[in-house]
Amino acid sequence: AQSVTQPDIHITVSEGASLELRCNYSYGATPYLFWYVQSPGQGLQLLLKYFSGDTLVQGIKGFEAEFKRSQSSFNLRKPSVHWSDAAEYFCAVGGNNRKLIWGLGTSLAVNP
Amino acid sequence: DGGITQSPKYLFRKEGQNVTLSCEQNLNHDAMYWYRQDPGQGLRLIYYSQIVNDFQKGDIAEGYSVSREKKESFPLTVTSAQKNPTAFYLCASSIGLAGATGELFFGEGSRLTVL
Repeated sequence: AQSVTQPDIHITVSEGASLELRCNYSYGATPYLFWYVQSPGQGLQLLLKYFSGDTLVQGIKGFEAEFKRSQSSFNLRKPSVHWSDAAEYFCAVGGNNRKLIWGLGTSLAVNP
Repeated sequence: DGGITQSPKYLFRKEGQNVTLSCEQNLNHDAMYWYRQDPGQGLRLIYYSQIVNDFQKGDIAEGYSVSREKKESFPLTVTSAQKNPTAFYLCASSIGLAGATGELFFGEGSRLTVL
C-alpha cells in the first residue's frame, strides 16, 4: 500500500541552526513528492515539489529537498532556521488514483 | 487577489444540529477538496470534486455531504450523523487532480466545536 512516513513528530532547533525533516514513502512507481507548511491555525502552503529531473529541488523560504530513490526518501532541509519557520510540515506523495497521500506531519519549534 | 475563502472561521454547534461550512474560490480551478484535520492525524480527505455537479467520496465521507452547483463554490455540511465532528476543516482547490500536479491551494480553515 502507498504510504508516507514522517518519523519525527516534533523537532526543536535553535535559531540559526540547520534543519532536516525526514520523509519516507512507499510507492510502486516514480512518485510525485511534495512538502507543505502550515502555520498555526492556518491553511497549508506548498514549499516545493518533485516530479522528475534534478533530484535536488529548491523551494520557497530558503528550503530545499532531495529525492533519493534508493532510500525512498524526500528530506526537507534548510541551512539556517529563522524563528518564523516554526510551523507544521507535511510531506505528501501523488498516488496511483491521483489523490495525494499525506504524512502525519512534523511540528517544528525554534528556540531563540 | 485570487484565493480561497472559508467561512466561518470558528463555529459552535450543539449535538444533533447540522452545520454548513462555506468554501469559495476565485482561482478558476476545476478541482476542489475538503479535508479534516485532527491533532496527530494529519489531513484526511472527506470529499472532492473535479467538475461542477460531480463529487466523489474521500476516505472519511460518512456523516458529511457536499454540493458543487457552481465552479467557485463547494460547501460542506456536517450532519448530525457525524459521530465526532469537532475538528479543523480545510478547503482546497487545484487546477487538475492534486495527485498529478500536487499544487493545492488552501483556505485558512474553519474550526468546528460541538458543545
